[in-house]
Amino acid sequence: GAVVSQHPSWVICKSGTSVKIECRSLDFQATTMFWYRQFPKQSLMLMATSNEGSKATYEQGVEKDKFLINHASLTLSTLTVTSAHPEDSSFYICSARTGTGGEKLFFGSGTQLSVL
Amino acid sequence: GQSLEQPSEVTAVEGAIVQINCTYQTSGFYGLSWYQQHDGGAPTFLSYNGLDGLEETGRFSSFLSRSDSYGYLLLQELQMKDSASYFCAVRVTGTARQLTFGSGTQLTVLP
Repeated sequence: GAVVSQHPSWVICKSGTSVKIECRSLDFQATTMFWYRQFPKQSLMLMATSNEGSKATYEQGVEKDKFLINHASLTLSTLTVTSAHPEDSSFYICSARTGTGGEKLFFGSGTQLSVL
Repeated sequence: GQSLEQPSEVTAVEGAIVQINCTYQTSGFYGLSWYQQHDGGAPTFLSYNGLDGLEETGRFSSFLSRSDSYGYLLLQELQMKDSASYFCAVRVTGTARQLTFGSGTQLTVLP
């Protein structure tokens, strides 16, 4: 099956610093990737849709300047949490579809961000 | 926007059958998916229904009734490893094919 690789798995940072999370499709090309955020015991909330070669589409209420998304190639999308604060601590997960996988969404392993 | 409702918790014993219901409200419904997520892990795809009826994949089956805006996931011959959170998710038409997830159902399988 398709593999989506996400790094790092966990990161601890100080308040005010920026953190970059990478999401790679290892064996397929993904023109579109999706970034979700999940709090403990809660649902996955869509943050943005990452589009290769163009600007990301952000969901209502998601700060574009705080969560910078870059999708520079068909296999890599990055999410940068800028000037992170404790309230940004969460589990961030990326996902993508293959061209032939139908409706199946493949997820990365997620990144647990803890901001001190 | 879209909204989905599913029970927050379900408990069953090994070998039993459990059904997790999902009702949704959305405009431009396209299909309903189900995902499993173990604690600390990534969601994994279980099933998809684009049309009314039952889809069967091994021990797992999923049902959809578009007219009732309702679906369910049926898990048979429960095993301990099935203890996880289960999410229903809708895709709507005219979008970039992203999914909106329900709040999740925590399934606990007891020995």
